[in-house]
Amino acid sequence: EDKVVQSPLSLVVHEGDTVTLNCSYEVTNFRSLLWYKQEKKAPTFLFMLTSSGIEKKSGRLSSILDKKELFSILNITATQTGDSAVYLCAVDRDDKIIFGKGTRLHILP
Amino acid sequence: NAGVTQTPKFQVLKTGQSMTLQCAQDMNHNSMYWYRQDPGMGLRLIYYSASEGTTDKGEVPNGYNVSRLNKREFSLRLESAAPSQTSVYFCASSHQMGGPYEQYFGPGTRLTVT
Repeated sequence: EDKVVQSPLSLVVHEGDTVTLNCSYEVTNFRSLLWYKQEKKAPTFLFMLTSSGIEKKSGRLSSILDKKELFSILNITATQTGDSAVYLCAVDRDDKIIFGKGTRLHILP
Repeated sequence: NAGVTQTPKFQVLKTGQSMTLQCAQDMNHNSMYWYRQDPGMGLRLIYYSASEGTTDKGEVPNGYNVSRLNKREFSLRLESAAPSQTSVYFCASSHQMGGPYEQYFGPGTRLTVT
């Protein structure tokens, strides 16, 4: 059965810390892996990864995919209180997207 | 561009009542989706429409029906609401399925069934 597993489920750190969120998957017909940030409402898109070893960056956020070991990480450096959110990992197979349960990140001032 | 819009934002139903959740997108996307999100469960796919004129079941379709009215609109219907359908419902769209295209989400509908 296809699955996407995120860890940790929740994380509390202090402002300025660096965090690493994990996403492992077992999915047939993999096409891409996506990261979303969800604050109070709808998830907003962060990254799409299709190739191993190529880091995607956006400001203090970065992500990389390992298609051999079937996982991805999302790094956030110099965290800010505005980074507090649920981070969702999803894997796009050829007919649908499967979401993990998310990592709830809370940044303490 | 409004992106993906959903109505209503909130709804309270009694068990057995019916209702339709509306979704529209103005990005000329081919594919549209309905998800539900429950605490600790992540997003689960209810139904999807790969293209205008087609609909398919997702992971949790029981108790729901959908209509892809045209390319822009994709509605979700609860024929006889049950308390287990209390959830937050998100509509999403993407350029098309089967390609590396991200999904764009609407603001969600918070539904409570008593």
